[in-house]
Order: sequence, then structure tokens, then C-alpha cells
Amino acid sequence: GENVGLHLPTLSVQEGDNSIINCAYSNSASDYFIWYKQESGKGPQFIIDIRSNMDKRQGQRVTVLLNKTVKHLSLQIAATQPGDSAVYFCAENRYSNSGYSTLTFGKGTMLLVSP
Amino acid sequence: EAQVTQNPRYLITVTGKKLTVTCSQNMNHEYMSWYRQDPGLGLRQIYYSMNVEVTDKGDVPEGYKVSRKEKRNFPLILESPSPNQTSLYFCASGLSRRNIQYFGAGTRLSVL
Repeated sequence: GENVGLHLPTLSVQEGDNSIINCAYSNSASDYFIWYKQESGKGPQFIIDIRSNMDKRQGQRVTVLLNKTVKHLSLQIAATQPGDSAVYFCAENRYSNSGYSTLTFGKGTMLLVSP
Repeated sequence: EAQVTQNPRYLITVTGKKLTVTCSQNMNHEYMSWYRQDPGLGLRQIYYSMNVEVTDKGDVPEGYKVSRKEKRNFPLILESPSPNQTSLYFCASGLSRRNIQYFGAGTRLSVL
């Protein structure tokens, strides 16, 4: 597979456990956040997004929590399955000094799920 | 099926030999972008395009060119590849630079 996982923090869990993957962002003006999943040999896939006027958003087996006070984002995966093994990374809609914004990607966390 | 298609998926070339990686999307997206992904560095944007004939540099544009003659296509051109351009490349598209970006499967490039 692709070596995108090198040098990444790793979270190892057992199948059936809940997983929590964290992401810190730096720009308090960022107003939109996305979580992506990247499996070995594939491109990043959209999982879930959240706007800054929300604290929580739920999808199927996934929940994203946004804490604007400490500039922290988390992805919770319920009943983790081996198929959830991948690199997960967050993206924020970050504003530059010029006033333009663009999606900026974090480096990611590798999730390893053992049966 | 909505998708972003990159070709080729794997490419080995030699220093200085011009190459083009193609990217096509069928979602009628205005925004398209190229990234490179390297261990420990994450996704870094090379170039992006807000619409046809509108392109701009990202964070790491040196050594790359792009064109956007049609809405669906956004090829990445390496006029004279060098070994430091060995990387995993992704094309992405979205409604705008601020929205969800949908990624292709990637192109693994090795420059010898």
C-alpha cells in the first residue's frame, strides 16, 4: 500500500470499541471543517463536515464534535470495524490575511483496528 | 457515478523527461486542485483553478504547470521532472475552494 502513514500518530483499537480521533486547528476564524478517511492505495474520502455554528454533528456511526473555545475537533467512530482502518485527517476552511479562505489539511492520524 | 479520474495511477520516469498527469471530473465542479502527499508533510496544494482559464499557485507550485481549457479537465504538467518531485499526487474537485473536495485515486510518480 501507499506509505502515507509514515510519521503519523497512530491509534490502535480493538474491533467493537469506540474510537476518538483528534484534530487541533490554529485559526479561530476558520468556519468550516471536514473529516476525510484515506485507505491504503486510495484517495481521501469525505466522511462528515461541520460548520462553526454547530458543536456536534452525527452521521452513520460517526460523530464530529467542535470545541471552538480550545480550537479542537474530534471524530468519534462507534463500534469500530476492521474496515475503518485508515488514515483520518481533518481539513479546515482557513482564512488568509488577504481575506480569502481555502481548505487546509492536517497531517492525519492512522487508525489500526484489530479483530 | 460521480468521480474524479486521474491517469496514470503509477508512473516511473527519468529526470528531465516531460510528463503530464491527466485529471477529469464529471460533477460539473468549478473548482479543481492538485496536491502532493509526502510522508510527514500531509497534503500540500500545488495549483488550483477556480474556473475555466483561471488558475493560481498553491503552496508548492515550483516545477509544475497546469491548464484549464475545459471545465472537466485539469492536467498537471511537469516540464522537466526532478527526483524531488517523486511523490503521490492527487487531483480534487469541488463546488468552490471552501467546499468539500472530492479526490481522485492518486498517481504515484517516481522520478529517477
